[in-house]
Amino acid sequence: QQPVQSPQAVILREGEDAVINCSSSKALYSVHWYRQKHGEAPVFLMILLKGGEQKGHEKISASFNEKKQQSSLYLTASQLSYSGTYFCGTPGDSSYKLIFGSGTRLLVRP
Amino acid sequence: GAVVSQHPSWVICKSGTSVKIECRSLDFQATTMFWYRQFPKQSLMLMATSNEGSKATYEQGVEKDKFLINHASLTLSTLTVTSAHPEDSSFYICSAQGGAYEQYFGPGTRLTVT
Repeated sequence: QQPVQSPQAVILREGEDAVINCSSSKALYSVHWYRQKHGEAPVFLMILLKGGEQKGHEKISASFNEKKQQSSLYLTASQLSYSGTYFCGTPGDSSYKLIFGSGTRLLVRP
Repeated sequence: GAVVSQHPSWVICKSGTSVKIECRSLDFQATTMFWYRQFPKQSLMLMATSNEGSKATYEQGVEKDKFLINHASLTLSTLTVTSAHPEDSSFYICSAQGGAYEQYFGPGTRLTVT
């Protein structure tokens, strides 16, 4: 089942922070985060594992909520290059497949 | 590291013809690759999982006879869209799986069927 992302879109000023959420109907043991710029392929940002371990981008962090049915991606001190559509990916019916969320459009303005 | 290439980057073909798209992992070996399609302003929809040396696994609703997948080596997977029709026009993206199950995406292929 496709995870639900919120918000659908957000506009920031450069330097501001943002939080993007990814919700699932079942407990997650991992969440992947990707960013896609218009006309380009998605780029891997990070993986959040069930124990809270994170692998990926230095300036981006993520967490699970208490029930591990929601993951939040934290973008701090946003830069213009952060603009794009963010997708979360959660494991499908097998651990190696990902089901991607609906996406969150982020626009960072000067 | 973890570079994935796709060829061609865009293709226009006539209805009824077949188109082959190549996906290569350039600096690592990928036993598992994935094929997605993406319509404008929509999410990535998984079409199939490609495993080196075995048959691809297709997602529900994806016609395996129409979208032929071959994973001939640890660095190459191909998607052939057979008898393409205008409704097959889309952005096709492949990805190769890394060691921690992360996915590295190719630059995508924009297919337009006239």
